[in-house]
Amino acid sequence: GAGVSQSPSNKVTEKGKDVELRCDPISGHTALYWYRQSLGQGLEFLIYFQGNSAPDKSGLPSDRFSAERTGGSVSTLTIQRTQQEDSAVYLCASILQGSGYGYTFGSGTRLTVV
Amino acid sequence: DAKTTQPNSMESNEEEPVHLPCNHSTISGTDYIHWYRQLPSQGPEYVIHGLTSNVNNRMASLAIAEDRKSSTLILHRATLRDAAVYYCILSQTVGAGGTSYGKLTFGQGTILTVHP
Repeated sequence: GAGVSQSPSNKVTEKGKDVELRCDPISGHTALYWYRQSLGQGLEFLIYFQGNSAPDKSGLPSDRFSAERTGGSVSTLTIQRTQQEDSAVYLCASILQGSGYGYTFGSGTRLTVV
Repeated sequence: DAKTTQPNSMESNEEEPVHLPCNHSTISGTDYIHWYRQLPSQGPEYVIHGLTSNVNNRMASLAIAEDRKSSTLILHRATLRDAAVYYCILSQTVGAGGTSYGKLTFGQGTILTVHP
């Protein structure tokens, strides 16, 4: 597609349940990032995938968070045993490294844990 | 990561130029200066980036100080659609070629209000 697509756009889940958030980057983009943005706050880096290299997981807040990127394309961010503090907008961004252009962000998934 | 400092908020009138400042006194030689903006309820949008020379594109201009310790994003004629949070971010280049960028570390940004 023309842009970065994220699904679902909104997700309400009960505390303690697992959730999966999906990101479809721009075709051919070599790097993919996950960020989250709590209400009224700036963006917090979570994880970064670049080609076949080991992902940079330094931003994941706890071991309840994990992410994978299959076939160098689609990525799934999984949050296990969700807590209320996980409520935020989760944003995905992709970039074609070496293009000289910036990152393209999706519109995000708004996660609400009740 | 090198830190940037931006004013919390700025205001402008429609059709007037806007100069959004950013200080980055600890910038390193391999840091690119990126600007993104975030409109309400949307993901961030790339605006412009540069290394040493001033840059122009269809959205804005980026003026970089000679010592690179500060930069200014210039919107030549503000419109109501330019009302957003503007983020100034330093990103190290990664890999060979100098055109691949590491992760972006977002600060709080500048909230730009445009008055009709």
